[in-house]
Amino acid sequence: KAGVTQTPRYLIKTRGQQVTLSCSPISGHRSVSWYQQTPGQGLQFLFEYFSETQRNKGNFPGRFSGRQFSNSRSEMNVSTLELGDSALYLCASSPSGGLVGDEQFFGPGTRLTVL
Amino acid sequence: DAKTTQPTSMDCAEGRAANLPCNHSTISGNEYVYWYRQIHSQGPQYIIHGLKNNETNEMASLIITEDRKSSTLILPHATLRDTAVYYCIVPRYNQGGKLIFGQGTELSVKP
Repeated sequence: KAGVTQTPRYLIKTRGQQVTLSCSPISGHRSVSWYQQTPGQGLQFLFEYFSETQRNKGNFPGRFSGRQFSNSRSEMNVSTLELGDSALYLCASSPSGGLVGDEQFFGPGTRLTVL
Repeated sequence: DAKTTQPTSMDCAEGRAANLPCNHSTISGNEYVYWYRQIHSQGPQYIIHGLKNNETNEMASLIITEDRKSSTLILPHATLRDTAVYYCIVPRYNQGGKLIFGQGTELSVKP
């Protein structure tokens, strides 16, 4: 079974631009979560989607948004990029959306650099 | 999420058991303890989870105290490839899709 895939793997943008990152979950998984990892803040939860609905949201500004499609694939968008948005963005999928006993499977991440 | 406390770093000799402690004194009765690890520059990897009984799988063992306020992850025969940051996480009941990562324990396995 193929793992979680994220595209692109690396991305360079300039301040003020916007960016869209993509995540394809493991086949059959209905939940997709997104995380941001920076050296200073560590791994931080962004949001979780389950069956095309945002179910949980972390403490990030509205510039960070996401969506999930009917095939469970998910995208996250960051508008008006700031230097501090440079990070590794990770997505994770799980079969039933984090119910008891569910484990999350993480992708390799997208490394975003904002210049 | 229940707050977890872990040592910042630990060393272990290759071939020896690595015992990683975690305190989660505010855990609720129906909340599970999960362990993940992250090897440098890779996505986190699930290791094991448990409620109150000790658990074992091909990667590790999880020992949870009777009062459930602390747990220990045991890697029975640590190898150099086990060098990673280990995270102990207690997500809210049925909200395992929202993992709150702390600083974790940086485990260095040395030859």
